[in-house]
Amino acid sequence: NAGVTQTPKFQVLKTGQSMTLQCAQDMNHNSMYWYRQDPGMGLRLIYYSASEGTTDKGEVPNGYNVSRLNKREFSLRLESAAPSQTSVYFCASSGLAGGSVADTQYFGPGTRLTVL
Amino acid sequence: GDSVTQMEGPVTLSEEAFLTINCTYTATGYPSLFWYVQYPGEGLQLLLKATKADDKGSNKGFEATYRKETTSFHLEKGSVQVSDSAVYFCALRIETSGSRLTFGEGTQLTVNP
Repeated sequence: NAGVTQTPKFQVLKTGQSMTLQCAQDMNHNSMYWYRQDPGMGLRLIYYSASEGTTDKGEVPNGYNVSRLNKREFSLRLESAAPSQTSVYFCASSGLAGGSVADTQYFGPGTRLTVL
Repeated sequence: GDSVTQMEGPVTLSEEAFLTINCTYTATGYPSLFWYVQYPGEGLQLLLKATKADDKGSNKGFEATYRKETTSFHLEKGSVQVSDSAVYFCALRIETSGSRLTFGEGTQLTVNP
């Protein structure tokens, strides 16, 4: 099992450009999450998807959109990138199938995004 | 709202020293508590957890006890190694929030040989 995978690993954008960060998990988890990590601020939740077909805003959703494409994949889109979105982005998943909800979140390796 | 406060870093120790990283929380319900570790260039990994008061989580020589009376979940290790150098995050989860986690700001630990 690969666990949680993210692409790309690194990205540099100019202000106003758009891009999509991809995330996939192969653990049959129900829930998926997008966080951003900034120095001295820990991880902050951007959006999450409790189950396939649902998405909800987290703590810092402005400037982002998400798509839960299927059970495995959860993408994060920046429509018009801004320097304030320079950050490291982590995808995570949790929750086993069959009604037993595990509370451990499993994280991907992260995407380091710089917006100039 | 729910929040987690960790001791400020960075923390620098010599190998075999005793480690304590303080974590306190504020929560409206009865949270589960977690410590995650992030090694350089990697994502976060669960280190240990506790789901109710007085539970002790332990893993890889690290321990933390869920103290409801002091709303704390301090991380300890008796003898740190160079390989323990990483960023440590305390986090909580409230049952009513599903699997959503609230993280502290993280504490950078550097262990020198």
